[in-house]
Amino acid sequence: DIVMTQSPDSLAVSLGERATINCKSSQSLFYSSNNMNYVAWYQHKPGQPPKLLLYWASIRESGVPDRFSGSGSGTDFTLTINSLQAEDVAIYYCQQFRDTPYTFGQGTRLEIE
Amino acid sequence: QVYLQESGPGLVKPSETLSLTCNVSGASIKSDVYYWSWIRQRPGKGLEYIGHIYKTGSTYYRPSLRGRVTISVDTSKNQFSLRLTSVTVADTAIYYCARAKGDFWGQGTLVKVSA
Repeated sequence: DIVMTQSPDSLAVSLGERATINCKSSQSLFYSSNNMNYVAWYQHKPGQPPKLLLYWASIRESGVPDRFSGSGSGTDFTLTINSLQAEDVAIYYCQQFRDTPYTFGQGTRLEIE
Repeated sequence: QVYLQESGPGLVKPSETLSLTCNVSGASIKSDVYYWSWIRQRPGKGLEYIGHIYKTGSTYYRPSLRGRVTISVDTSKNQFSLRLTSVTVADTAIYYCARAKGDFWGQGTLVKVSA
């Protein structure tokens, strides 16, 4: 299985500041036939299903605020949340869909400082 | 808008079979290009991909669950289902159905395995 490792496990950021979450995969998630990285990012709040934020590592899902952005390629990926809002408190997961099983990172808990 | 809704018993006895159905509305499973998946979250744990099914009936199952898990599809009812046999307390989890792209999820249903 491809192992997805997120860092940090948790972080606290002040309102209006930037939060950065990293995700490292045990194998490259880049597919040369379409030049895409098979990574998605989700936001998960208690009592709700995970919400897709980004796919193909950096493509924002419809309706997702542009303060959420994704970057990276190969094995290293980053989710950046600019101008942190109170409603951004959640657990964030990366997921690879390069190879089955489509594994998730362990999650990063984001809180307000 | 696409909606998914899980249904099934919230309590299953050890060694018995967990059965859940996911009803899809707003999209047609038999017309869609995506796989349809089951994912679970055990208490205090992260998300775990169980498997998926395509409209043709082609399936993928997580290796650690193979032999116990079956995912099936009924395109006439626009729904797909999960069966997990010989359950133990370790199968207690919130079970989600989702379109495999990750863009649409059910609300999730808690299934507790307990005598």
